[in-house]
Amino acid sequence: QKEVEQNSGPLSVPEGAIASLNCTYSDRGSQSFFWYRQYSGKSPELIMSIYSNGDKEDGRFTAQLNKASQYVSLLIRDSQPSDSATYLCAVTAYSSASKIIFGSGTRLSIRP
Amino acid sequence: DGGITQSPKYLFRKEGQNVTLSCEQNLNHDAMYWYRQDPGQGLRLIYYSQIVNDFQKGDIAEGYSVSREKKESFPLTVTSAQKNPTAFYLCASSLDGIPVTGELFFGEGSRLTVL
Repeated sequence: QKEVEQNSGPLSVPEGAIASLNCTYSDRGSQSFFWYRQYSGKSPELIMSIYSNGDKEDGRFTAQLNKASQYVSLLIRDSQPSDSATYLCAVTAYSSASKIIFGSGTRLSIRP
Repeated sequence: DGGITQSPKYLFRKEGQNVTLSCEQNLNHDAMYWYRQDPGQGLRLIYYSQIVNDFQKGDIAEGYSVSREKKESFPLTVTSAQKNPTAFYLCASSLDGIPVTGELFFGEGSRLTVL
């Protein structure tokens, strides 16, 4: 079982709709959870972080965390073509908080 | 401006040659990391360093070596022992060695191709 699992996609969403990206993780001791966005050929950039159960909203982005289910998600409202990218879920490892483990990413495509 | 600088951006290497990728940061961050990314894959941790003169192996350290002689510098050497070195290499830093806030700051990456 991979430590951080994501559906590779591509996930195709019409412009203006809500994009929903999901991630599961295996380490029950993980404390910190992140979503990074990566455009093709570029380096990742942090867009959301979440540390406690529930929802966290920032503009058009909402991160949701459920530690009991070991599940974290990212919702993007009013999807724009500029949101087309690969979204990487990342989790700190309980065994070493200095390690951030990345999933393989979900490729999101926003169609006009 | 503060940031992380990786060089070279593109590098071609013949089989059997060692190459060194440079990573310099002026963010005054304690922790630095090297990740490898293959096409369609996530990031895999090669090495990380929380403080000067100390570093730990990540998940795929075989065939790689690092040094951390200065806070701002964390070069990665890809040795001839690395069986499949063609990849996109990303250097990152975080404010401290326990990135509770989670933000990794990435360089622009170095794309290595073995001919």
